[in-house]
Amino acid sequence: DIQMTQSPSTLSASVGDRVTITCRASQSISSWLAWYQQKPGKAPTLLINKASSLESGVPARFSGSGSETEFTLTISSLQPEDFATYYCQQYNDYPWTFGQGTKVEIK
Amino acid sequence: QVQLVQSGAEVKKPGASVKVSCKASGNTFTGYYMHWVRQAPGQGLEWMGWINPNSGGTKYALNFQGRVSMARDTSISTAYMELSRLRSDDTAVYYCARGAQLGAKFPETHWGQGTLVTVSS
Repeated sequence: DIQMTQSPSTLSASVGDRVTITCRASQSISSWLAWYQQKPGKAPTLLINKASSLESGVPARFSGSGSETEFTLTISSLQPEDFATYYCQQYNDYPWTFGQGTKVEIK
Repeated sequence: QVQLVQSGAEVKKPGASVKVSCKASGNTFTGYYMHWVRQAPGQGLEWMGWINPNSGGTKYALNFQGRVSMARDTSISTAYMELSRLRSDDTAVYYCARGAQLGAKFPETHWGQGTLVTVSS
């Protein structure tokens, strides 16, 4: 199985901060990477597909980059509604696998 | 607007089986893969597999092979996930999630509200 490793596991930040989350794959996944946001008690929401393609309706402050084994999710200016847990997911090979999550907390 | 509505919470004893349903709105049920993903309390997401609602074909994660079965009823636009020989570590919220159009490669875009399955003696 392809292992997905996110860092950091927890991130404390303030409103307006630029935030970057990293996701590393144990082998190349080309650009077959998605990012999700999950709030407590809710299902995940797809933010980005194919490493950098923003889903319709997702604010432009979210962006994704990377390829092969190294990927990043950046929030350019953190908003109150962005405090949540973020997951990366590879869908290059079965079984599809997720990172362990990064919790973005209020500083 | 795609909407996925799942069945209600379940409490099961170890060794039993559970069947979770997922009803899709709209008339595109047979055109998209339906995935199942679970999340243990306080833990991350775990992909279980998908069903092709058009053909009934399935793809399961090896972790669940032999214990999971995915099915669908196209007449009522409903997908099902049955997990057998339940253990306490199967306690989780189970999500259905619509994926790519058939033949395409795309992550899960629309998710159900989740179904809590509790396994306890």
